[in-house]
Amino acid sequence: SYVLTQAPSVSVAPGETASITCVRNNIESEIVHWYQQQPGQAPVLVISYNNDRPSGIPARFSGSSSGNTATLTISRVEAGDEADYYCQVWDFNRDYWVFGGGTKLTVL
Amino acid sequence: VQLVESGGGVVQAGRSLRLSCSASGFTFNDYVLHWVRQAPGKGLEWLALLSYDESRKSVRDSVIGRFTISRNNLKNTLYLQMNSLEVDDTALYYCARGREGAPFDNWGQGTLVTVSS
Repeated sequence: SYVLTQAPSVSVAPGETASITCVRNNIESEIVHWYQQQPGQAPVLVISYNNDRPSGIPARFSGSSSGNTATLTISRVEAGDEADYYCQVWDFNRDYWVFGGGTKLTVL
Repeated sequence: VQLVESGGGVVQAGRSLRLSCSASGFTFNDYVLHWVRQAPGKGLEWLALLSYDESRKSVRDSVIGRFTISRNNLKNTLYLQMNSLEVDDTALYYCARGREGAPFDNWGQGTLVTVSS
């Protein structure tokens, strides 16, 4: 089955860089999207098509992909970035969307 | 852009529930609509999608035969008919929109479904 593996948690100090990964065999050949979900809120798209930022998303958010790992990078992390982050890919074989298990970002 | 879900509540296992998602602020027919759920303390799980003309319809394997997605383009409303509900269906149910093959650029705030045994 199509599984996207994310680390359950990542911690980073304010001002540092957070890297949130999404692992699947040969994910670099896929198109990956990323969502942020703050506590009690609906998810928000923060990166689309591997590294596009929707309108209103700060330039501190970026995406990349290489080999088996896609990465959401948040530079100069702020307290307000504390949230759950999910990767998303379209599974062409089963004709549906798949989310990673999510990573909780804690800002120390 | 606004997506507002409704129809959630507490229901006994084995019963049915129909969720609605009322859309406004955009051209309803231009978008594929989705249902996504999130069990308490868990991650996101995509359930189903439906294009405006219903030419594209897909439902997650684990709910095929129990959940049916539909839409009424005249009422700008998306539906999820859920039958034979199970305790594991307890979740916050979101609707979301996206272009064909594109990620979800707007989400509702969700409606909570609690299935009791």
